[in-house]
Amino acid sequence: RKEVEQDPGPFNVPEGATVAFNCTYSNSASQSFFWYRQDCRKEPKLLMSVYSSGNEDGRFTAQLNRASQYISLLIRDSKLSDSATYLCVVSSLDTGRRALTFGSGTRLQVQP
Amino acid sequence: EPEVTQTPSHQVTQMGQEVILRCVPISNHLYFYWYRQILGQKVEFLVSFYNNEISEKSEIFDDQFSVERPDGSNFTLKIRSTKLEDSAMYFCASSGRGTSGGTTYEQYFGPGTRLTVT
Repeated sequence: RKEVEQDPGPFNVPEGATVAFNCTYSNSASQSFFWYRQDCRKEPKLLMSVYSSGNEDGRFTAQLNRASQYISLLIRDSKLSDSATYLCVVSSLDTGRRALTFGSGTRLQVQP
Repeated sequence: EPEVTQTPSHQVTQMGQEVILRCVPISNHLYFYWYRQILGQKVEFLVSFYNNEISEKSEIFDDQFSVERPDGSNFTLKIRSTKLEDSAMYFCASSGRGTSGGTTYEQYFGPGTRLTVT
């Protein structure tokens, strides 16, 4: 089983649509959770951390379900500039361990 | 806004040659990392570095790899004898000190060095 699993997409949505990405992780010791976005041939850019209580940043809402080992990202009112690959990322954060484990990403294409 | 920088942006080398990839982490960060991404694949962790020593490394980070912080600002990844399969994008990242309940475990990535081994 993959450590972090995501639907590869692509998700093709019109501008203004709401789109949801899901992710599952296999390591129950995972402590920190993030969504990054990656544009083609560029570096991963941190979009948001994901907290147990869920959190929102503008049009973006992230949720975490530790019992199901499931993370989600909701994007409302999609913009053309949201087109990118969205990476689900987890970390165990044991003492001395900060390595990030990346999913393969879900590609989003927002169309005019 | 502070950012991680990396040089060169693209490095072409012949198989068997040594390469050094350079990074300047965000200035008040204490943890430094190298990741790689083979074209079309996911980002993979190589190594983390804290307090002038390796704190964690993956199976990929074998004896051909080494890291160093030669001065107060640079962080380098050396690949001693490059192989064709080392061709990838190499990303440096850094993070600040974590605090209980805080968010400073977040890692910020540099723009990457594309390594092509021929």
